[in-house]
Amino acid sequence: DTAVSQTPKYLVTQMGNDKSIKCEQNLGHDTMYWYKQDSKKFLKIMFSYNNKELIINETVPNRFSPKSPDKAHLNLHINSLELGDSAVYFCASSQNGVEETQYFGPGTRLLVL
Amino acid sequence: TQLLEQSPQFLSIQEGENLTVYCNSSSVFSSLQWYRQEPGEGPVLLVTVVTGGEVKKLKRLTFQFGDARKDSSLHITAAQPGDTGLYLCAGTYSGSARQLTFGSGTQLTVLP
Repeated sequence: DTAVSQTPKYLVTQMGNDKSIKCEQNLGHDTMYWYKQDSKKFLKIMFSYNNKELIINETVPNRFSPKSPDKAHLNLHINSLELGDSAVYFCASSQNGVEETQYFGPGTRLLVL
Repeated sequence: TQLLEQSPQFLSIQEGENLTVYCNSSSVFSSLQWYRQEPGEGPVLLVTVVTGGEVKKLKRLTFQFGDARKDSSLHITAAQPGDTGLYLCAGTYSGSARQLTFGSGTQLTVLP
């Protein structure tokens, strides 16, 4: 079984659309994260959730909203997509704090046209 | 915003050669991790170092944490094509709100 899974793997959409990316972890971890990796492979934290509570929120546009229906899921909803949102988005999880091993999903490749 | 610099950015070597990748910061790390990312996949943790001067070995990979905990290196002995990938260092800093900051990455290609 895949530890951290994301859907979809590829997402191509038009500017202005709203889209969601789903993430699920079956590791029983308490903390989940969303990262954005740009075209230069730079990986930057966007959000993290611990027991349904947002504990980090970087300077991310409010068009991005994380939603966690339960401890095993952290979905990412994006409103009014812009060209600059094109990137690979990774979900990750860890048992507790950020200094512990983070397990990454396979990524969602988003292309905004 | 903490900055983590990795060098070199790109490295292409022949199978059997040795190499070293560096990760540097102007601030002191609480802990530092090294990840490897292969094309089309997410990063996978290789090692975590927490003590200044610490050296950890993982088969042909040797990780060193600087005495002042501001820098780290990854040395690969007798590189193999399977070592090809993007190597990322990531650190946590004291008082940085439990945030993992990633370096810019080193893209390693090992040619057969």
